Amino acid sequence: QQQVKQSPQSLIVQKGGISIINCAYENTAFDYFPWYQQFPGKGPALLIAIRPDVSEKKEGRFTISFNKSAKQFSLHIMDSQPGDSATYFCAAAKNQAGTALIFGKGTTLSVSS
Amino acid sequence: GAVVSQHPSWVICKSGTSVKIECRSLDFQATTMFWYRQFPKQSLMLMATSNEGSKATYEQGVEKDKFLINHASLTLSTLTVTSAHPEDSSFYICSATSGGPNTGELFFGEGSRLTVL
Repeated sequence: QQQVKQSPQSLIVQKGGISIINCAYENTAFDYFPWYQQFPGKGPALLIAIRPDVSEKKEGRFTISFNKSAKQFSLHIMDSQPGDSATYFCAAAKNQAGTALIFGKGTTLSVSS
Repeated sequence: GAVVSQHPSWVICKSGTSVKIECRSLDFQATTMFWYRQFPKQSLMLMATSNEGSKATYEQGVEKDKFLINHASLTLSTLTVTSAHPEDSSFYICSATSGGPNTGELFFGEGSRLTVL
């Protein structure tokens, strides 16, 4: 059972465009939703995260939109740059000490210059 | 931010040998560490959860006798792949949390790439 579904699998965006990646979750006990960025051969790095008490969070060019009723959340990358080309993973976790993150399958983003 | 260090970053070994990967939290005490496995172009799959001083909890389908996890201190967890085979070749990533109020904010290591010949 896939608890966190992520789409699309891959995405090509022109420089300066908006990249949008979507995730849906099933477990209503999840209440922490981070996005990670991973470059080849490296561990994932936390990009931005949101909790269900807000519907949107923005940090620089990155925005998370959260729809609790639909159990969906998305990452928007504004003014996409070639340096943003990486694999992005959404994840979810319960608000419980020592709980592991459950990851989506990832989206490979390519930003053309 | 907090730093989690893994060593070695890559290792090549012969089939049948055992390999140990270390995961250290450098500037915080990690009450819980997690081990993930990632095959090429795939997601991170949780292998086990390790709490300091207690036995690791393995995910379904992960052989506890093959993937030995030790979390002997609040700053170190080790994963030993015993009798490694080519199908064990993968990218192993650890993550750690101090278990504070911001639960879920995991810090990841840089990963260890294992190649079994």
